[in-house]
Amino acid sequence: GENVEQHPSTLSVQEGDSAVIKCTYSDSASNYFPWYKQELGKGPQLIIDIRSNVGEKKDQRIAVTLNKTAKHFSLHITETQPEDSAVYFCAARNLFGNEKLTFGTGTRLTIIP
Amino acid sequence: GAGVSQSPSNKVTEKGKDVELRCDPISGHTALYWYRQSLGQGLEFLIYFQGNSAPDKSGLPSDRFSAERTGGSVSTLTIQRTQQEDSAVYLCASSSGTYRSVYGYTFGSGTRLTVV
Repeated sequence: GENVEQHPSTLSVQEGDSAVIKCTYSDSASNYFPWYKQELGKGPQLIIDIRSNVGEKKDQRIAVTLNKTAKHFSLHITETQPEDSAVYFCAARNLFGNEKLTFGTGTRLTIIP
Repeated sequence: GAGVSQSPSNKVTEKGKDVELRCDPISGHTALYWYRQSLGQGLEFLIYFQGNSAPDKSGLPSDRFSAERTGGSVSTLTIQRTQQEDSAVYLCASSSGTYRSVYGYTFGSGTRLTVV
């Protein structure tokens, strides 16, 4: 089955700087890669996703890049703000196989004011 | 409803007791998923429902765990003879569309289960 590795496990950045979280996946058949943000006491919330026919996607301060050859994808947050502090999870899924998402182990991002 | 609703939000139970966790998905969402999140850990898949059937229950850790979904809506996750290692946050998610849906999941806020 799919295996998703995520790093770093913790990340602290100064407010206004950029943050990058990286994930690798094992199943070359995976073709859908969402990112989730989980705030304390809440369930994960989808913030951005990308499909394998696209190399990059942006939504305001958030961007995701995908390298299918290397089987890795990354989340980029620019101009970080205190409200970006949370745990971020990457995930992968084969749309033509089983239906479940396989998640990475999470990155705790702390924005230092 | 407007979101995925889970109840109870917190549950403390004695070792050996049975517990039932409830998930009410977004109205019209045909797919429903249960995940488990242990303290500081990632999301561990438990079971997936499409309608009332469970095509993938490969993540259920033992035969003490079972789940059902009725009317294509509400789902209950039952843990029998709870053990301390069952302590975790149990998350439910739903998604719209049919098989091979490309839509992301919407998660509930979870049920925090503590076995003492």
